[in-house]
Amino acid sequence: AQSVTQLGSHVSVSEGALVLLRCNYSSSVPPYLFWYVQYPNQGLQLLLKYTSAATLVKGINGFEAEFKKSETSFHLTKPSAHMSDAAEYFCAVRINQAGTALIFGKGTTLSVSS
Amino acid sequence: KAGVTQTPRYLIKTRGQQVTLSCSPISGHRSVSWYQQTPGQGLQFLFEYFSETQRNKGNFPGRFSGRQFSNSRSEMNVSTLELGDSALYLCASSLTSGPQETQYFGPGTRLLVL
Repeated sequence: AQSVTQLGSHVSVSEGALVLLRCNYSSSVPPYLFWYVQYPNQGLQLLLKYTSAATLVKGINGFEAEFKKSETSFHLTKPSAHMSDAAEYFCAVRINQAGTALIFGKGTTLSVSS
Repeated sequence: KAGVTQTPRYLIKTRGQQVTLSCSPISGHRSVSWYQQTPGQGLQFLFEYFSETQRNKGNFPGRFSGRQFSNSRSEMNVSTLELGDSALYLCASSLTSGPQETQYFGPGTRLLVL
């Protein structure tokens, strides 16, 4: 069965610092992996997705993630944090190959200080 | 193009009542999924519909049900409400049901059960 683990429920960085949010997955089939962001009182917005085309995936707002099969990881990074990046971030994996349903990690809240 | 819309946005019910939530997907999208988001359990998958057929179902009791209409609009129903059903219910739509498809989320319906 598929599962996702996000290491660290809270991450704090200074504005301009590197952002690193960790995600490890477990999947019995080649995984489809996603990162979503949620701002307060809003739905989820897709940042990027891995669908086996390229291991380094670039997303919106300067975020990128690298798929590492040997480490079963899909960590999210951004070289320089901005105040507007403060939000909750979710890593997700497809439940199966038969649909679009997702299993989400518990989420990581990113705080950015000036 | 309009995004995913969910109605109502906020709802207050009492224990034992039933509730119906509505979701209108992005125009042209044929797949709809529902998720429950709570502080304790995080984001949990409820069910997924494609062309009026349920494709996947999460691990929720039978009190939770859903359906999809021929115009792809979807409803979910919760009968005999419990306090623990208080949550943000998110609907997501995608163009088709393929595993590479992106799910686009609505703003959610916040349900409070008293």
